[in-house]
Amino acid sequence: DAGVTQSPTHLIKTRGQHVTLRCSPISGHKSVSWYQQVLGQGPQFIFQYYEKEERGRGNFPDRFSARQFPNYSSELNVNALLLGDSALYLCASSFERGVNTGELFFGEGSRLTVL
Amino acid sequence: SQQGEEDPQALSIQEGENATMNCSYKTSINNLQWYRQNSGRGLVHLILIRSNEREKHSGRLRVTLDTSKKSSSLLITASRAADTASYFCAEGQGGKLIFGQGTELSVKP
Repeated sequence: DAGVTQSPTHLIKTRGQHVTLRCSPISGHKSVSWYQQVLGQGPQFIFQYYEKEERGRGNFPDRFSARQFPNYSSELNVNALLLGDSALYLCASSFERGVNTGELFFGEGSRLTVL
Repeated sequence: SQQGEEDPQALSIQEGENATMNCSYKTSINNLQWYRQNSGRGLVHLILIRSNEREKHSGRLRVTLDTSKKSSSLLITASRAADTASYFCAEGQGGKLIFGQGTELSVKP
């Protein structure tokens, strides 16, 4: 079975531009979460979607948005990019909504560089 | 910040030695999880310990949890060069994980 897949793997943008990152969860998983990992830090929670509805949001500005599609894949959108948005963006999926019973399965990430 | 802290930030050992990493967390947890990350890549789940457990083993991994001190430790026994990676603890909170800053482990052959 395929794991969590993310695209693109690497991308370079300039300040003020917009970016869309995509994620396909493991087959059968209904929950998708997004995390931002700045170099040298642990991942920070951005969003969780379960059954196509937003179920949680981290401390990120409104420039960050996401959605989940009927096939449970997801997009993360970031508008008006800032230099500080340069990071590895990780998508994770799980069958259940919470992490109280099991682990998250992570993709390899999309590395965004903002110049 | 809600993030917990990990200690040490970096650890360098020889192959065959044991590696111990410590994690302090801030919230009342349902579970605590440990993940591994090879350089710049995705995270891989290692082990989950529930709040009512004190110790758990998985292969060469041993995790302890002390909820009174809000701390956990990960022990890797008989380390190998392939264990070189960053290790993160994460508090399970509802639908999200709160990660620590990580410990960078280097195992020299």
